[in-house]
Amino acid sequence: AQRVTQPEKLLSVFKGAPVELKCNYSYSGSPELFWYVQYSRQRLQLLLRHISRESIKGFTADLNKGETSFHLKKPFAQEEDSAMYYCALRPSNAGGTSYGKLTFGQGTILTVHP
Amino acid sequence: KAGVTQTPRYLIKTRGQQVTLSCSPISGHRSVSWYQQTPGQGLQFLFEYFSETQRNKGNFPGRFSGRQFSNSRSEMNVSTLELGDSALYLCASSLWQGPPYEQYFGPGTRLTVT
Repeated sequence: AQRVTQPEKLLSVFKGAPVELKCNYSYSGSPELFWYVQYSRQRLQLLLRHISRESIKGFTADLNKGETSFHLKKPFAQEEDSAMYYCALRPSNAGGTSYGKLTFGQGTILTVHP
Repeated sequence: KAGVTQTPRYLIKTRGQQVTLSCSPISGHRSVSWYQQTPGQGLQFLFEYFSETQRNKGNFPGRFSGRQFSNSRSEMNVSTLELGDSALYLCASSLWQGPPYEQYFGPGTRLTVT
């Protein structure tokens, strides 16, 4: 069974400060990792995925298989980054039977103060 | 392109009743997943449908069931409602099951059981 842990329920930073949202996972196979974000009164949306190795809205995340982590980072936080962030894992199954099953962490509420 | 829609948006039921929630995926999407979101348990996977077949099921009792129609629309049903079923039920659709894999979430149906 897989598990995703986000140790911080709340995270507060000031505008312009670096921010790091932690995510650790446990899974015996090779997972796909995602970060989802939910802004106030908006629906949950994909922020980035480790496969793409992309930077979205200044955020990056690197999959560290040794430490089983997928921390989300941004060098300079902005007020509009305030939101709920979820780390999620999808089992990578060559048989194609587990594609839809995302396991989410408990989420971290990020507040960026002016 | 219209996003994922869910109906109804809010629902109040009493214990013992049953409820049916509906999800219309993005046009062209064939995979639909359902999640339950509660403050205590966070986001938990319920089930996934692809081409009218249930492909994955989470750890929920048999009172929770679902189905998918030929037009990819999906419904989930909860019978014999319990107070603990009060939650936000999210539906997510994706193009298909293979990579690149991205789930698009609906706004959710808020179910309150009294």
